[in-house]
Amino acid sequence: AQSVAQPEDQVNVAEGNPLTVKCTYSVSGNPYLFWYVQYPNRGLQFLLKYITGDNLVKGSYGFEAEFNKSQTSFHLKKPSALVSDSALYFCAVRGNTNAGKSTFGDGTTLTVKP
Amino acid sequence: DSGVTQTPKHLITATGQRVTLRCSPRSGDLSVYWYQQSLDQGLQFLIQYYNGEERAKGNILERFSAQQFPDLHSELNLSSLELGDSALYFCASSVGQGPGNTIYFGEGSWLTVV
Repeated sequence: AQSVAQPEDQVNVAEGNPLTVKCTYSVSGNPYLFWYVQYPNRGLQFLLKYITGDNLVKGSYGFEAEFNKSQTSFHLKKPSALVSDSALYFCAVRGNTNAGKSTFGDGTTLTVKP
Repeated sequence: DSGVTQTPKHLITATGQRVTLRCSPRSGDLSVYWYQQSLDQGLQFLIQYYNGEERAKGNILERFSAQQFPDLHSELNLSSLELGDSALYFCASSVGQGPGNTIYFGEGSWLTVV
């Protein structure tokens, strides 16, 4: 069975500081990893994904994520946080088997304070 | 705007009733997914269709059913509704069915069962 853990329910950072939202996963075979952001009363918006290749993936709105196979992690990062980055962030994993099924973490609420 | 359209946006219905949620995928996408988001269960994968055929099944109750029509739109039918079915139901779509395909989410249908 595949699983995703987002160990922090909430992350608070000051505007202009770097941010990290953590994600670890478990899946059989090669992992396909995704980050989404959800603003209040909205759908999930795709930020970035890792399929293969470079371990550092760049995505939308200045976000990037680092894939670490040995630690089975895929942490989301941004060098300089904005107040508008405040939202709920989800990490998701898919595997080669039962490829239709995406497993999402419980989400991490990011709050960026001015 | 992801290009995935869901209707209705909100609905309120009584226990024991039946409702149908509708989804139009992004233009060109053949794969449709349904997810349920609730406070206690998080984001749960329900079912996936690809070009009209069921491809993957998640935690979908027997009271729920779905289908994808020849024009690729999809419907999720929820019957014998219970209070616990109150949730935000997302439809999502992707071009293909493989695990590396990015899934794009609609804005969701808020279901309240009273």
